[in-house]
Amino acid sequence: AQSVTQLGSHVSVSEGALVLLRCNYSSSVPPYLFWYVQYPNQGLQLLLKYTTGATLVKGINGFEAEFKKSETSFHLTKPSAHMSDAAEYFCAVSEGSNYKLTFGKGTLLTVNP
Amino acid sequence: ETGVTQTPRHLVMGMTNKKSLKCEQHLGHNAMYWYKQSAKKPLELMFVYNFKEQTENNSVPSRFSPECPNSSHLFLHLHTLQPEDSALYLCASSQEGRGNSPLHFGNGTRLTVT
Repeated sequence: AQSVTQLGSHVSVSEGALVLLRCNYSSSVPPYLFWYVQYPNQGLQLLLKYTTGATLVKGINGFEAEFKKSETSFHLTKPSAHMSDAAEYFCAVSEGSNYKLTFGKGTLLTVNP
Repeated sequence: ETGVTQTPRHLVMGMTNKKSLKCEQHLGHNAMYWYKQSAKKPLELMFVYNFKEQTENNSVPSRFSPECPNSSHLFLHLHTLQPEDSALYLCASSQEGRGNSPLHFGNGTRLTVT
């Protein structure tokens, strides 16, 4: 069975600082991995995804994530935080043709001026 | 415009009421989903429809009844709900029901059961 663990339910950074949101997964087959962002009173929006190929994936709004099979990780990073990045971020995994996405519990990112 | 539209945005209902949530997608997708988002819990997959056929019912109580008349529309009929059913209900769609197809979400219906 697939599962996702997001370390840290709340991360706080200063504007301009590095953003690092951690995600570890377990999967019995090569996984597909996703990061979604949820702004207040909105649904989830896809930031980026890894399916196959290059392990460093670039997404929208300057975010990127690296798939590390040996560490079963898919951490999300952004070099310089902006106030508009404040939101909740969800990591998710699915297994091959299995359409069921398993989500982590989410990490709330706060950006301080 | 998210491409996936949910109505209503907010709903307050008593435990004896019957109401329906509506979802419409304008993306030409073939798969539609209902998720439940409760505070401090991971998103819970409730139902999946692939080409209008229900392919997943994730042990959801019968007081929740989905309906998918076509690939663009999805409903969630509610009756005799419990207070613990209060949550944000999210509709999503994807190109097809495959693991590498990202989900496109609506903005959700915030349901409060009194």
